[in-house]
Amino acid sequence: DTGVSQDPRHKITKRGQNVTFRCDPISEHNRLYWYRQTLGQGPEFLTYFQNEAQLEKSRLLSDRFSAERPKGSFSTLEIQRTEQGDSAMYLCASIPGQGVSYEQYFGPGTRLTVT
Amino acid sequence: GQNIDQPTEMTATEGAIVQINCTYQTSGFNGLFWYQQHAGEAPTFLSYNVLDGLEEKGRFSSFLSRSKGYSYLLLKELQMKDSASYLCAVRPGGFKTIFGAGTRLFVKA
Repeated sequence: DTGVSQDPRHKITKRGQNVTFRCDPISEHNRLYWYRQTLGQGPEFLTYFQNEAQLEKSRLLSDRFSAERPKGSFSTLEIQRTEQGDSAMYLCASIPGQGVSYEQYFGPGTRLTVT
Repeated sequence: GQNIDQPTEMTATEGAIVQINCTYQTSGFNGLFWYQQHAGEAPTFLSYNVLDGLEEKGRFSSFLSRSKGYSYLLLKELQMKDSASYLCAVRPGGFKTIFGAGTRLFVKA
């Protein structure tokens, strides 16, 4: 357990529904990433936050995806009008804000299944 | 484009040494990472290289050659618990981290 938590751990939804996932990073970590991972692949970068500011977002991400980190603590990732291709593990990772830090601490992930 | 290549699978024997290679072609370079991921679990950090050379950490070592776009992860004294996927990742610049597809290592008795 890295100290990063994600909720829910599993989500099954029907195509076309909206879903929202939550990530709670380690409390002193001010940097946060969201990734998507499918079977047999490495994590794919979705977006990056430093405190509450979203500083980078993948160009691969469609407008159906949005992420927020309103108070620089927890973050949410919303997928609107889900498609079967959105089925994947969604991972959150955080990094300490102090000093030269590069190790990403990953949460356990939310597994999304779109039927 | 950004590309990271690593072998899909490797098999090694308990107690042996294994080297997992990674080559990358990215628009920039600001560090290379190795992560371990057991099946059904999240990745965990193993190493970080930003300068050429070898970084050693216990049974694990990681090497980087920036001019060749090449890295390897060396695992010594293999244990059954080392059976996992090993992910090579590069930070090309900015904040994005690009991961390879991973190398699945099977350690046999």
